Amino acid sequence: DSGVTQTPKHLITATGQRVTLRCSPRSGDLSVYWYQQSLDQGLQFLIQYYNGEERAKGNILERFSAQQFPDLHSELNLSSLELGDSALYFCASSVGGQQDEQYFGPGTRLTVT
Amino acid sequence: GENVEQHPSTLSVQEGDSAVIKCTYSDSASNYFPWYKQELGKRPQLIIDIRSNVGEKKDQRIAVTLNKTAKHFSLHITETQPEDSAVYFCAASRVQAAGNKLTFGGGTRVLVKP
Repeated sequence: DSGVTQTPKHLITATGQRVTLRCSPRSGDLSVYWYQQSLDQGLQFLIQYYNGEERAKGNILERFSAQQFPDLHSELNLSSLELGDSALYFCASSVGGQQDEQYFGPGTRLTVT
Repeated sequence: GENVEQHPSTLSVQEGDSAVIKCTYSDSASNYFPWYKQELGKRPQLIIDIRSNVGEKKDQRIAVTLNKTAKHFSLHITETQPEDSAVYFCAASRVQAAGNKLTFGGGTRVLVKP
């Protein structure tokens, strides 16, 4: 157990809908990262927050957004869902700053039908 | 941006033999190289990492080597056991105050045959 928690574990929804994925980092970690894992794209970085501020952005779609709250938990919002958004979404956390390890949560499996 | 290539994509070894996975990266400014192990349906688990000021690091049966000049790094697993069967991912990152996004290789599926 890495200490990073994610909810829900599974999510099944229809095309066009909007969902919110939640992540709580390890105690003491200030950075939260979101990654998408799909069969054809592998593990792809989406976005990073550090102590409430956006720090780095990957190839995150405009339909996706995220935020980190004052208690350091983070939410990833996915809207206008398409079949291709079906994937495992992982959150990772780290202490923050430079040269630090990232620990992954158990992931949320999203299925769009 | 950074690009990480990982080989082989699948690797089958006999229990007790060694396994080697190789990765190359494109951004010479990358300075942090972790390896993750992912079992089916589970989270990626950090197993070892190396930073650009070190050429080799070892932790029991696993070791990682880094060649900055050639921009490649490798994972070595010795005395493989069935529980080593999993998908292994390498990653590279340019750690800086602005962020630490990991760019992953495509993964290597390792099967250890008893």
